[in-house]
Amino acid sequence: AQTVTQSQPEMSVQEAETVTLSCTYDTSESDYYLFWYKQPPSRQMILVIRQEAYKQQNATENRFSVNFQKAAKSFSLKISDSQLGDAAMYFCAYRRPLRDDKIIFGKGTRLHILP
Amino acid sequence: GAGVSQSPRYKVAKRGQDVALRCDPISGHVSLFWYQQALGQGPEFLTYFQNEAQLDKSGLPSDRFFAERPEGSVSTLKIQRTQQEDSAVYLCASSSPGGSNLETQYFGPGTRLLVL
Repeated sequence: AQTVTQSQPEMSVQEAETVTLSCTYDTSESDYYLFWYKQPPSRQMILVIRQEAYKQQNATENRFSVNFQKAAKSFSLKISDSQLGDAAMYFCAYRRPLRDDKIIFGKGTRLHILP
Repeated sequence: GAGVSQSPRYKVAKRGQDVALRCDPISGHVSLFWYQQALGQGPEFLTYFQNEAQLDKSGLPSDRFFAERPEGSVSTLKIQRTQQEDSAVYLCASSSPGGSNLETQYFGPGTRLLVL
């Protein structure tokens, strides 16, 4: 069975600084998708960034980028120029490359932004 | 609609009561998912619909949980004889099949259920 592990329950970063959230996963599949979701206190889950396992190039979305290490089964999220609006729970997630398959989430990392 | 909506947003039930949670997916979205999120945890899959067909219910924790989507749009998650361990946030997500397997799941705000 696939599992997703986030070992940092909470992290803090100074506004405008850079922070990296860690994630490891376990799967026997060779092709899959990885995601980072953001869940602010209002609880609406929002997709931040996604990565296809067959792509070697790391995904980037504005201030958000990932470091995807397939052999190590590691998928970290880097947030540059942190802003107060980045404060939220961040979930690392996995999905098999099957249409409409369920998402498997980690337990999350709560990110605090210090003004 | 503009996004996935869920109602009620909050529900307090006495142990043993039945509850019904509603999800309105994004208009035209074929796929609908239910997840359960316990306090301090990540969401966990409950069940999945494609149109009105329930294709996967492997995550439903017991036979007290029942979901339906009779007309392929609105879905209802019903919990019978609620127990305290059912207290959680119930999230609904919908997606639209496209040319890629990377169909994004769009989440609703969730229903927070508290069983006393």
